[in-house]
Amino acid sequence: AQRVTQPEKLLSVFKGAPVELKCNYSYSGSPELFWYVQYSRQRLQLLLRHISRESIKGFTADLNKGETSFHLKKPFAQEEDSAMYYCALYNFNKFYFGSGTKLNVKP
Amino acid sequence: DGGITQSPKYLFRKEGQNVTLSCEQNLNHDAMYWYRQDPGQGLRLIYYSQIVNDFQKGDIAEGYSVSREKKESFPLTVTSAQKNPTAFYLCASMGRSSYNSPLHFGNGTRLTVT
Repeated sequence: AQRVTQPEKLLSVFKGAPVELKCNYSYSGSPELFWYVQYSRQRLQLLLRHISRESIKGFTADLNKGETSFHLKKPFAQEEDSAMYYCALYNFNKFYFGSGTKLNVKP
Repeated sequence: DGGITQSPKYLFRKEGQNVTLSCEQNLNHDAMYWYRQDPGQGLRLIYYSQIVNDFQKGDIAEGYSVSREKKESFPLTVTSAQKNPTAFYLCASMGRSSYNSPLHFGNGTRLTVT
């Protein structure tokens, strides 16, 4: 069965520090993986997808099939990055979400 | 302005009553989804629909029902059989490709049952 695990419920860093939000998945095939973000009082929205290998708002995420991970990284966190982040796996017409990590960037 | 509209934003019901949550989209998306969001549990899939007049159960469908009579609409009924109905409910839609048109979410409905 597909499963997405985000081990950290809360991650607090200072502004300018590097940040890494962890995501591990269990899936036997070639996964489609995404990061979604929910800022305060806003709806959930797509941040980035692994297949496009893009950098959005300074965030990147690399798919590591050997470790079955898709960690989200940013070298220098900003206060506006404070939000709830969800890792998601898409397979057979369904999205499976992790439990989410709340990122708090302190001034 | 294209998007997904969920209504109402807040809903209060007495235990034992059925309640229907509305979800409408004007994105011309084929697929629509209902998720339940509980603290510490992320999003759990209730029902999803790939095309009109067809829908499938998700991981936690018990106590819920849906219909998909129109492409734009995917209402969710929380029945009295749902043991823990108080939650935040999110509706989402997606186009034909997860790459070109990933999940778009509504603003959610917070249901409180007492």
